[in-house]
Amino acid sequence: DTGVSQNPRHKITKRGQNVTFRCDPISEHNRLYWYRQTLGQGPEFLTYFQNEAQLEKSRLLSDRFSAERPKGSFSTLEIQRTEQGDSAMYLCASSSEPRLAGGQDIQYFGAGTRLSVL
Amino acid sequence: GESVGLHLPTLSVQEGDNSIINCAYSNSASDYFIWYKQESGKGPQFIIDIRSNMDKRQGQRVTVLLNKTVKHLSLQIAATQPGDSAVYFCAENRPAITNTGNQFYFGTGTSLTVIP
Repeated sequence: DTGVSQNPRHKITKRGQNVTFRCDPISEHNRLYWYRQTLGQGPEFLTYFQNEAQLEKSRLLSDRFSAERPKGSFSTLEIQRTEQGDSAMYLCASSSEPRLAGGQDIQYFGAGTRLSVL
Repeated sequence: GESVGLHLPTLSVQEGDNSIINCAYSNSASDYFIWYKQESGKGPQFIIDIRSNMDKRQGQRVTVLLNKTVKHLSLQIAATQPGDSAVYFCAENRPAITNTGNQFYFGTGTSLTVIP
C-alpha cells in the first residue's frame, strides 16, 4: 500500500498520560499536514510541514501538542498530559508542492488515529 | 435529492437518482476548493477540485459548480450508487496573508445515504 499510513489506528489512554502518533506520508510528497476531527465535524487544521520545516501551526495546537518531521519523511504528533477533550480522530495528510502556481494541491489522507482519553 | 448546507446535513436519495450536495464557504478571497468523500472509519478521499477562475468542472459522474457571487459550491453526483453513501465535505483554501496559504478549512459535511 503506497498511501498515507498512520499508527496506531486506535489509542486508549488515561487522562494525564502522554501519547505519540506516527504518520508515514506518500513517499514523494514533501508536504505533510495534521488535522483533528471530532464526531460530526469536518477536519480541523492543526499544523503543516514542508519537508522538515514546520511552517504553520493552528491556534488549536496548545502547548501540550508538538509535532515533528525530523528528516522530512515521517512525522510524529505528541500530546502531553492528555485531557478528555483531546479525544478525537487525528488525521494526517500529505501532498506534493504544485509544480506551477495554480496547480493542484490535493491532500491525500490516512485512515487516522482514534484517540480516546478516559 | 438536494441538501441545503448546514440546515440539512443529511440527504437520502434513491439509487440511480442524481444528488446535489451544497456548501457555503465563508471567505470571498478563497481561491481553491476541494470536495472530499469520507466513509465510516476512513480518512477523507479526494473527489474533485476547482479553482476560483472556473465556475464548473466535471469528473467521472461528478460535477462541481462554483458561484463566487454568493460564495456557494455544489457537488452533483449523477446516477447515485450505494457505494456513494458517505459524508461529503467541501474544503476551501484561503490565500496567504499571515500564513503560507496552505491551510484548508473544511465544512461540517453532508451525510449522503443511497437507498437501493
